[in-house]
Amino acid sequence: EPEVTQTPSHQVTQMGQEVILRCVPISNHLYFYWYRQILGQKVEFLVSFYNNEISEKSEIFDDQFSVERPDGSNFTLKIRSTKLEDSAMYFCASRQHRTEYTTDTQYFGPGTRLTVL
Amino acid sequence: GENVEQHPSTLSVQEGDSAVIKCTYSDSASNYFPWYKQELGKRPQLIIDIRSNVGEKKDQRIAVTLNKTAKHFSLHITETQPEDSAVYFCAASPYTGKLIFGQGTTLQVKP
Repeated sequence: EPEVTQTPSHQVTQMGQEVILRCVPISNHLYFYWYRQILGQKVEFLVSFYNNEISEKSEIFDDQFSVERPDGSNFTLKIRSTKLEDSAMYFCASRQHRTEYTTDTQYFGPGTRLTVL
Repeated sequence: GENVEQHPSTLSVQEGDSAVIKCTYSDSASNYFPWYKQELGKRPQLIIDIRSNVGEKKDQRIAVTLNKTAKHFSLHITETQPEDSAVYFCAASPYTGKLIFGQGTTLQVKP
């Protein structure tokens, strides 16, 4: 069964540095999402992406964040200047186009644990 | 704003008992309600979901009920087993597709 994959599994960075988190969504999926989960807390929506553009973003997703689909398979989240409070697990998710015959299911990747020192 | 409240935050049951987790959502435009199970350090895994045009859905030992008028939905797990122990998250999704998660319920099933 196809799965969403993410790299790296763990990223340690210094405050102020840029990081790029990578995701490979399921191949026939058209909608892509980034979520984050601070340790012990709930999963929070960051941004959704469809047709090569952002379709919705949360208040968390400020100017320090950006997303890109640089080719037909990868979907990236960039944090330009990391802060201590960016330390969290970042999950990528993808889903199919919603029709009468498909589900709304979002499939999550295994996550990237980002630690900002 | 959009919000999902989930209760209880922790739930401990004996093996074989039933477990019920309840959620309330605020956005009346929400039309899709999934439940995810998350084991420690792992990704959220979908266990069951329901669309707003359905009031109840069952899959073996797991069932979900939805009351659109009250904006409530609940997860029911019957005949609980130790491997059901995990954190369970409810979520609500408007037509835009994003998931708004509840705070999570840590379920412990004691053998």
